[in-house]
Amino acid sequence: DVKVTQSSRYLVKRTGEKVFLECVQDMDHENMFWYRQDPGLGLRLIYFSYDVKMKEKGDIPEGYSVSREKKERFSLILESASTNQTSMYLCASSFGDEEEKLFFGSGTQLSVL
Amino acid sequence: DQQVKQNSPSLSVQEGRISILNCDYTNSMFDYFLWYKKYPAEGPTFLISISSIKDKNEDGRFTVFLNKSAKHLSLHIVPSQPGDSAVYFCAAPATSGTYKYIFGTGTRLKVLA
Repeated sequence: DVKVTQSSRYLVKRTGEKVFLECVQDMDHENMFWYRQDPGLGLRLIYFSYDVKMKEKGDIPEGYSVSREKKERFSLILESASTNQTSMYLCASSFGDEEEKLFFGSGTQLSVL
Repeated sequence: DQQVKQNSPSLSVQEGRISILNCDYTNSMFDYFLWYKKYPAEGPTFLISISSIKDKNEDGRFTVFLNKSAKHLSLHIVPSQPGDSAVYFCAAPATSGTYKYIFGTGTRLKVLA
């Protein structure tokens, strides 16, 4: 079974802090994604990566950056956390030949106070 | 503008009956559609997909129907079981060959025992 692991289940941070959300997948998937889930808005794509050191902006990249130095790890960085970044963050990965099947981690509930 | 819409935020169904979850879309160029299921405290998991060249795809108790003229798809669960209680998201790739998926806002299904 594919496993996508997010480092924290819950995080509480203060406004202005730099926040790192880590995601690791164990199935050698090329593609990795960061989504946020908010009530009434569904899942919205923040950034994705289709190869090591490659990244592309999703629909809502403002205030975020990402890093993919190794194939299995994709990090989401909140440069200066703000209260409107309080959300559930979901990491996902997919394999090149079955790109439509996203495998998600359990999510990180981030609260910015 | 929301290209993938799930207009029913919630649905309650008796165990053993049929559950019908609906999804409308605006972009007739979508190549395929997907349904994901999400339990509380877990990431979404892929459930079933349908190509735009088909009008039906079946997998066990789950069937997805696509009505291209109405730009509407529906997920049927027969018979519904309490373990089906979850949030269901429909999704579509933003453009052909893209890794970017557009998700609906989700429908919370509750199957009553």
